[in-house]
Amino acid sequence: DTGVSQNPRHKITKRGQNVTFRCDPISEHNRLYWYRQTLGQGPEFLTYFQNEAQLEKSRLLSDRFSAERPKGSFSTLEIQRTEQGDSAMYLCASSPWGTGVLSGANVLTFGAGSRLTVL
Amino acid sequence: GQSLEQPSEVTAVEGAIVQINCTYQTSGFYGLSWYQQHDGGAPTFLSYNALDGLEETGRFSSFLSRSDSYGYLLLQELQMKDSASYFCAVRGSDNTDKLIFGTGTRLQVFP
Repeated sequence: DTGVSQNPRHKITKRGQNVTFRCDPISEHNRLYWYRQTLGQGPEFLTYFQNEAQLEKSRLLSDRFSAERPKGSFSTLEIQRTEQGDSAMYLCASSPWGTGVLSGANVLTFGAGSRLTVL
Repeated sequence: GQSLEQPSEVTAVEGAIVQINCTYQTSGFYGLSWYQQHDGGAPTFLSYNALDGLEETGRFSSFLSRSDSYGYLLLQELQMKDSASYFCAVRGSDNTDKLIFGTGTRLQVFP
């Protein structure tokens, strides 16, 4: 397995444009998480999925953000009408979900991230 | 709400031992995790503590005291490659599987 893959790695866009990021998790992982990270800060939770079901979305997330995981495999994160404040690294992580201690959010495998710059 | 506090920066020399502390406030508690992140890289999982005590994994150890809402990461025999940011994170509620991260501690190892 090649780990968690994210595309594109870098995206520069103008304010007001829409952007979409893709995440391919580790194939046997049924939980998938999106986080956002700005310089000097820890990752900030955005949303997570169990298979294709979106189980939680951060209240900090505006309606401009939407995430999907239509077939329970890859996921997309779309940001509509981007603003300069959306500039950040968008991280995807996956994990197995089961009865063991090391499952779910207790052990996340992150991708390298997609860096967004909004001009 | 949930919050975590850790020192912003720690410096040490090669071969030394360093301890990175983390205090947390959560409505519930379902474990403390530690992640390492090199500049430009992805966070990588280091350790997880659900119960009080010390967990050892090679040169790294992690400690938890639930009664004190406190934990630490201990790095021994420091190497230059250990220069990175270290984040503690908690899963603080039974109703959610999200991990809340601290702001991170930047460790600089000098020769």
